[in-house]
Amino acid sequence: KAGVTQTPRYLIKTRGQQVTLSCSPISGHRSVSWYQQTPGQGLQFLFEYFSETQRNKGNFPGRFSGRQFSNSRSEMNVSTLELGDSALYLCASSPDSTGGDGYTFGSGTRLTVV
Amino acid sequence: GQNIDQPTEMTATEGAIVQINCTYQTSGFNGLFWYQQHAGEAPTFLSYNVLDGLEEKGRFSSFLSRSKGYSYLLLKELQMKDSASYLCAVNSGAGSYQLTFGKGTKLSVIP
Repeated sequence: KAGVTQTPRYLIKTRGQQVTLSCSPISGHRSVSWYQQTPGQGLQFLFEYFSETQRNKGNFPGRFSGRQFSNSRSEMNVSTLELGDSALYLCASSPDSTGGDGYTFGSGTRLTVV
Repeated sequence: GQNIDQPTEMTATEGAIVQINCTYQTSGFNGLFWYQQHAGEAPTFLSYNVLDGLEEKGRFSSFLSRSKGYSYLLLKELQMKDSASYLCAVNSGAGSYQLTFGKGTKLSVIP
C-alpha cells in the first residue's frame, strides 16, 4: 500500500513569505502528526491531528499552524518565514490513538528560507 | 520538562553486537519508539515498547525499564548498511501522539 506522501519535497522561500506543506497519510490512518527536524535541535513535535481536530500542540510560535481535512489529509502553514525555519518538515500517520509500528513517517519536505 | 538522552556517536565493527542506550525523563509515558534514519531519508520504525522487558525483531531487540526511565536498542550481526542515526522517542500523549525525540545516535559500522 502507498506510504505517507508529503509534497513538495523541496521548497525555497524568502524571509517574510508564507508556506503551505501537504501530507497525505496512509489510507485508513486518521492521526497525522508534524515534526520539524534541524541539525541542532533534532526532531521536534509541532502538532497532531485526529479526525480534523488538533489534539496536541508543541512549543512553537503561532506562526506555525495546521489543519486536517475530512479525508485525513493534512496541511501545515508557516507565516512570516524566518531564516531559522529552514528545516526538514516530517509528517507521520497512524491508524489509531496509540500503538507501535503503525506510526509511519513520510519522506519530508526540505524547506530553505533565504 | 521533557528530556531524552542518548550517546551522540558510536562506532562498531561489522558482524559485532552494539547496544545503544537511552534514558528519559518525561511528564507522561505512553510507549517508547526506536527509529533508524539514514542521511537525507525519513525515519523508519524499528521497535516499540510500552511494557517492561525485551522485544525482539530479527537482528534488532529493544529493552525497556519504566521504573528506571531507561531503554536500549541492541543490534546483532552488524552490517555496513546499519550505519545510520538511531532515534529514541517517548510518546507522552495520553491516548494520542506527542513524541519527544532524543538527538539521535550516529552509528558507524566499520569493516
